[in-house]
Amino acid sequence: GQNIDQPTEMTATEGAIVQINCTYQTSGFNGLFWYQQHAGEAPTFLSYNVLDGLEEKGRFSSFLSRSKGYSYLLLKELQMKDSASYLCAVLDSNYQLIWGAGTKLIIKP
Amino acid sequence: GAVVSQHPSWVICKSGTSVKIECRSLDFQATTMFWYRQFPKQSLMLMATSNEGSKATYEQGVEKDKFLINHASLTLSTLTVTSAHPEDSSFYICSARDGGRETDTQYFGPGTRLTVL
Repeated sequence: GQNIDQPTEMTATEGAIVQINCTYQTSGFNGLFWYQQHAGEAPTFLSYNVLDGLEEKGRFSSFLSRSKGYSYLLLKELQMKDSASYLCAVLDSNYQLIWGAGTKLIIKP
Repeated sequence: GAVVSQHPSWVICKSGTSVKIECRSLDFQATTMFWYRQFPKQSLMLMATSNEGSKATYEQGVEKDKFLINHASLTLSTLTVTSAHPEDSSFYICSARDGGRETDTQYFGPGTRLTVL
């Protein structure tokens, strides 16, 4: 079966750095996405990785290792507004998006 | 770019009525749109994949006669919840795939909160 694992919840301090991990086992791979979802709102696109390595976009970076079936989202200089759920999703061989359950990130002052 | 709108933002209706939700891609053509449902504190659940000009593909367990999807143009898909019941109360979110871009990124609408009394 297809499976995406990410921690259920993480807590971090304002101004700090946090890394949210995602491991996946899917039938084929055509890219991995990270989305941010604030409570009561729809997800917003953060990043897309299809090749191994690190993609940096401002305070957010996303890393992919296809051989390990692993990705992480790195958030730097955390702000209170970063409190949200972070969803990892993989595009499989049929171009279907397989979703993780999301990681709820709690930022404390 | 890549803006998706959804209307209405929220709707309250009586049990037994039908509700139509519109999803529009505002600045790109979306050959494929997706409809999701999300219950409180749960993951997104894909309901159906909608391709312009053809019938939608429904996920297992989703009643296609209850959740009617129409994707008549490259910028508009509609979801109609027929004979809605309280258990259909949920957050319905559409997304659209921008086929013109290099990636297959899905861009989400703001969602529609449906409450059935």
